[in-house]
Amino acid sequence: DADVTQTPRNRITKTGKRIMLECSQTKGHDRMYWYRQDPGLGLRLIYYSFDVKDINKGEISDGYSVSRQAQAKFSLSLESAIPNQTALYFCATSASPGTGASYGYTFGSGTRLTVV
Amino acid sequence: KQEVTQIPAALSVPEGENLVLNCSFTDSAIYNLQWFRQDPGKGLTSLLLIQSSQREQTSGRLNASLDKSSGRSTLYIAASQPGDSATYLCAVPWGGSTLGRLYFGRGTQLTVWP
Repeated sequence: DADVTQTPRNRITKTGKRIMLECSQTKGHDRMYWYRQDPGLGLRLIYYSFDVKDINKGEISDGYSVSRQAQAKFSLSLESAIPNQTALYFCATSASPGTGASYGYTFGSGTRLTVV
Repeated sequence: KQEVTQIPAALSVPEGENLVLNCSFTDSAIYNLQWFRQDPGKGLTSLLLIQSSQREQTSGRLNASLDKSSGRSTLYIAASQPGDSATYLCAVPWGGSTLGRLYFGRGTQLTVWP
């Protein structure tokens, strides 16, 4: 099984619909992130969470919300999807400094979202 | 805000060539820099993490260097193979943090043909 699992892998939804993307991890990492990737662009941070009670906005949080249900679960919601939210969405995890775990990120395989 | 730039945007080479991919960043107050590989339609795989105290980091045919003072990092790929075809991204942490939130470059799309 993958260390970071994202569901669904692909989704087509209509404008105005609410949609949730889910992420779960078995790495035991405290830190979780949601990034968005658009064609020809690098990844941009949407939201991040450094522990279960910590939620922070990233570069492009407008139109998105998140929930950290447990250390291992971090979901991203689009309350009312719009076409310019069509993108590839990635969940990622990393260990906190000083925990003894190796540095570096672990990414999920991504969710390809199309809003029509 | 940190700006991360990668040059070239795309590169196509025959198998066996040695390659250099470049990454530059505007704020040199970083603790580390990370190189990732992304295969089409897939997630990112971490290749190398260089701490600011290091000048180089090696993994197999990959060698990454970091020059904080000039705001540059290079990823050297020796004896390239078709399996190296992918997009390579570099990333640095936000705001002087050790890890966590990352700023990404747009990547270099590498094609190695037989």
